[in-house]
Amino acid sequence: RKEVEQDPGPFNVPEGATVAFNCTYSNSASQSFFWYRQDCRKEPKLLMSVYSSGNEDGRFTAQLNRASQYISLLIRDSKLSDSATYLCVVLIPGNQFYFGTGTSLTVIP
Amino acid sequence: DGGITQSPKYLFRKEGQNVTLSCEQNLNHDAMYWYRQDPGQGLRLIYYSQIVNDFQKGDIAEGYSVSREKKESFPLTVTSAQKNPTAFYLCASSVGTSGYEQYFGPGTRLTVT
Repeated sequence: RKEVEQDPGPFNVPEGATVAFNCTYSNSASQSFFWYRQDCRKEPKLLMSVYSSGNEDGRFTAQLNRASQYISLLIRDSKLSDSATYLCVVLIPGNQFYFGTGTSLTVIP
Repeated sequence: DGGITQSPKYLFRKEGQNVTLSCEQNLNHDAMYWYRQDPGQGLRLIYYSQIVNDFQKGDIAEGYSVSREKKESFPLTVTSAQKNPTAFYLCASSVGTSGYEQYFGPGTRLTVT
């Protein structure tokens, strides 16, 4: 079983739409969680850390559900510039990061 | 400007040759990492280093070697023993390894023919 699993999509949404991605993780002792954004043929860039209480940064909201072992990312009022692949990242005991395969988002005019 | 640099951006080699990929950071980060990314797959950890002169194998270390002689530098050598070396190689660094976010360099695309 993979440490981190994401729906690869693609998600094609119109501008202004709200879209949500989920990511599940297998190790219940996972310690830290992150969402990264990766544009085509570029390096991943940190979008936000995910805290137990949930956190919001502008149009982006991240949630953690430890009981069900998933994290989510909600994007409101989608912009064309949000088109990218979103990577879920989990830190497991032993200080090793595991990356999901990514969810592809295309925002359509 | 603080950041992570990787060079070169594109690299082409013949099968059977060793090749070294450069990674330098001026963020004063203790930890550094090497990943490879293949189409349709997530990033996979090759090696990581928590401190100078120390490094640990990741999930796919076979066919690779690293050194960490200086805090700011973590070069990766892809040896001829690596069966499928063609990939996108990404270097990252973080303040430490205990829950700190990682920052990535721009990557090196290696093609071996």
